[in-house]
Amino acid sequence: DSGVTQTPKHLITATGQRVTLRCSPRSGDLSVYWYQQSLDQGLQFLIQYYNGEERAKGNILERFSAQQFPDLHSELNLSSLELGDSALYFCASSVTGEDTEAFFGQGTRLTVV
Amino acid sequence: LAKTTQPISMDSYEGQEVNITCSHNNIATNDYITWYQQFPSQGPRFIIQGYKTKVTNEVASLFIPADRKSSTLSLPRVSLSDTAVYYCLVGGLTGGGNKLTFGTGTQLKVEL
Repeated sequence: DSGVTQTPKHLITATGQRVTLRCSPRSGDLSVYWYQQSLDQGLQFLIQYYNGEERAKGNILERFSAQQFPDLHSELNLSSLELGDSALYFCASSVTGEDTEAFFGQGTRLTVV
Repeated sequence: LAKTTQPISMDSYEGQEVNITCSHNNIATNDYITWYQQFPSQGPRFIIQGYKTKVTNEVASLFIPADRKSSTLSLPRVSLSDTAVYYCLVGGLTGGGNKLTFGTGTQLKVEL
């Protein structure tokens, strides 16, 4: 158990819908990362937050947004969902946000039908 | 961010030592080298990190030559449970955010 909690574990939704994925980082970790993993794309970095502020941005679509709240949990919002958004979404956390030892959650498997 | 190159796949047998090499010619002075392991449908798990020379922990060793343009993850006496994808990451500590970019990784298959 990494100490990072992601909910829900599985999500099935229809195209065009909007979903919210939630992540609770390890106790004491200030930084949260979001990743998307699909068979054809591998692990894609989406976005990083540190202590509530956006820190780094990767290949995140405009239909996707995220935020980190004062209690340090984070949410990833995916809207206008397409079939191609079906993937595993991972959240990770690290202490400072500039360390390379990050702890990953078990992921949320999103299926868009 | 330094680009990394790893073999796509490797095969081994139980009890053997496995060495996975990662090439990172454009590594920057303040870049660390980090390895992760990922099992199917699970999040990646940190294995080891180093800056130069050799680092060893309870599960692996990391060898980094003086020029730091490559690194080798060494797994001693692998077992079936070591079958996984292994990722080499280079970067971090940039002061401008940390993208922790994963490459395609090396699929290690361990057989009896």
